[in-house]
Amino acid sequence: DTGVSQDPRHKITKRGQNVTFRCDPISEHNRLYWYRQTLGQGPEFLTYFQNEAQLEKSRLLSDRFSAERPKGSFSTLEIQRTEQGDSAMYLCASSPQGGREQYFGPGTRLTVT
Amino acid sequence: LAKTTQPISMDSYEGQEVNITCSHNNIATNDYITWYQQFPSQGPRFIIQGYKTKVTNEVASLFIPADRKSSTLSLPRVSLSDTAVYYCLVGENTGFQKLVFGTGTRLLVSP
Repeated sequence: DTGVSQDPRHKITKRGQNVTFRCDPISEHNRLYWYRQTLGQGPEFLTYFQNEAQLEKSRLLSDRFSAERPKGSFSTLEIQRTEQGDSAMYLCASSPQGGREQYFGPGTRLTVT
Repeated sequence: LAKTTQPISMDSYEGQEVNITCSHNNIATNDYITWYQQFPSQGPRFIIQGYKTKVTNEVASLFIPADRKSSTLSLPRVSLSDTAVYYCLVGENTGFQKLVFGTGTRLLVSP
């Protein structure tokens, strides 16, 4: 399967701990996006990369959140000092330059206790 | 990015045609209309995109009137597996810019 993959699929952590999620986009897709989705709501944009450059960050991305895409391939999203309000599904998507659609991964469900 | 309005939920039965309408009164000249489908515990999946008139693919049809202030996603002969949330999005170059999702339309298909 050559779709977008995310790891882990589920993460349970205690408040105050740090967590890191990984996203592997479709090969040769140079754009990579992170979204967050809470129950009953549509996904909300967090940030996106073109190759290794982070081009836009949402105001939702507080200073506890950091994302990287060091070699323009996979990406990581780290949340430091997690809070209960961080509990959500974190979705990654990728698209080729000029493409008309984004391809989403299955998401990482984070539960902060 | 133009704001969209769509029904919160819809119910249907297997074999029926389902039409989901989306309002986007402030659509800009360069904006496209795109629909995504999302099953529980999965990421959204692109269904169809159009600019004007009618677009059809193997999954759905998209009808866009001349004023482009609304659009209708048509799902022919739905099955139980079409139960999902459907999102209407409007924007320019929605493939390579951030997507702005609303709350979508939750479609429930019953036997």
